[in-house]
Amino acid sequence: KAGVTQTPRYLIKTRGQQVTLSCSPISGHRSVSWYQQTPGQGLQFLFEYFSETQRNKGNFPGRFSGRQFSNSRSEMNVSTLELGDSALYLCASSDQGNNEQFFGPGTRLTVL
Amino acid sequence: EDKVVQSPLSLVVHEGDTVTLNCSYEVTNFRSLLWYKQEKKAPTFLFMLTSSGIEKKSGRLSSILDKKELFSILNITATQTGDSAVYLCEAGGTSYGKLTFGQGTILTVHP
Repeated sequence: KAGVTQTPRYLIKTRGQQVTLSCSPISGHRSVSWYQQTPGQGLQFLFEYFSETQRNKGNFPGRFSGRQFSNSRSEMNVSTLELGDSALYLCASSDQGNNEQFFGPGTRLTVL
Repeated sequence: EDKVVQSPLSLVVHEGDTVTLNCSYEVTNFRSLLWYKQEKKAPTFLFMLTSSGIEKKSGRLSSILDKKELFSILNITATQTGDSAVYLCEAGGTSYGKLTFGQGTILTVHP
């Protein structure tokens, strides 16, 4: 089985811009979770989608949003980028969302 | 709010040493605790624990869960330089998709 893929792998944006990140889960997995990882805060949960519905959301501002398509692929959008949004964004897929997760390689976002 | 705390935050040992990493959790309607290893890339799965007192083993790594005291430990025996990584603990409740990570333990193994 192919693993979780994320695109793009690297992204450089400037403050105020918006960005869309993409995640394709392992075939057959219906749950996709998004995490932000920074050196200071560690891994923080953004949100989780299951069958095109957002089931859970972490404590991030409304500038962070996401969606999931019928083929389970998911996108995450960050609007009005701030310097503090610079981070590694990881997505993970699982079959149900409460067991072993398989992580993608991440998208490294740098906001200048 | 769910909370997962790992200790120590960092650890430096020499090859051959045995290490014990700790993870305590406060999770509503706890269901499972997972350990991951993260090198210079995305985390990779090590263990999932759902029952107290049952040790899971994989080579030199083992882990056990104590649901009464709300903690888990990850043991690594005869450490090697390749064990150097960040070890992450993640706990989840019965609320699907809501999993909380600890801050991680940075393990450095010197030759």
